[in-house]
Amino acid sequence: DIKMTQSPSSMYASLGERVTITCKASQDINSYLSWFQQKPGKSPKTLIYRANRLVDGVPSRFSGSGSGQDYSLTISSLEYEDMGIYYCLQYDELYTFGGGTKLEIK
Amino acid sequence: EVKLEESGGGLVQPGGSMKLSCVASGFTFSNYWMNWVRQSPEKGLEWVAEIRLKSNNYATHYAESVKGRFTISRDDSKSSVYLQMNNLRAEDTGIYYCTRYDAMDYWGQGTSVTVSS
Repeated sequence: DIKMTQSPSSMYASLGERVTITCKASQDINSYLSWFQQKPGKSPKTLIYRANRLVDGVPSRFSGSGSGQDYSLTISSLEYEDMGIYYCLQYDELYTFGGGTKLEIK
Repeated sequence: EVKLEESGGGLVQPGGSMKLSCVASGFTFSNYWMNWVRQSPEKGLEWVAEIRLKSNNYATHYAESVKGRFTISRDDSKSSVYLQMNNLRAEDTGIYYCTRYDAMDYWGQGTSVTVSS
C-alpha cells in the first residue's frame, strides 16, 4: 500500500503570505495526485488534479507541483477565505489520502 | 453543473446493514469511474470502494477494511451508484461521500452513518 505523509499537520500564516504544503508518497506515484480544501461542515473541494492541473473556477493563487514521490501545494498570497484543512490524495495505485494540514490565519 | 447527491444514511446497530445511494447529474455518468470515500475524526479521509465502467466489466475494488462486507454497484440508466454495507461495525461510523473519477474531481455533500447500539 502507498503511504502519503503530509506536512505540516497544522500551520498559521499571515494574510498575503506565500504558503506551501507538501505530500511525500512512499513510492513514485507518477503525478497521480489531487489536492482538496475542506471547510468546517462541508465536503472537500477539489483544487488540483494530476499534480499541477487547476480545477476550473479555482483561484490562480493556488498551484501544484512535484513529481516522483514529492509534491506540493502553494498558495501564492494567502487570503482569509483560504482557511481550512487541506488534503492530498494519490490515485496511482488505488487511493490513499494524506493526513491533512489545518491552515489558520495568524 | 455537476452534482452528486448521497442518501440513505442513519443509525444502525452493530452487525446490521444499510444501503447508500448517490444520484449524479450534470455529466455523462456512464463515462466515469465512481468512488465512495468516508470521513471520521479518528481516521480522517478513507477511500472505501471504486467501480469502473461497463467497458471494464464494472470492475470493483475495495479497501481492505471493508472487503467482504461492502458492495459497490451502479445503474447507469439511473445515473446512480450504490454502497451496500453489511455486518456493520462501530468503526464504520462516519460521513460517506460519493466522488467522481479517480482524481475525485467532484464530491457530494455526504450522508452520515452511525453504527451504535
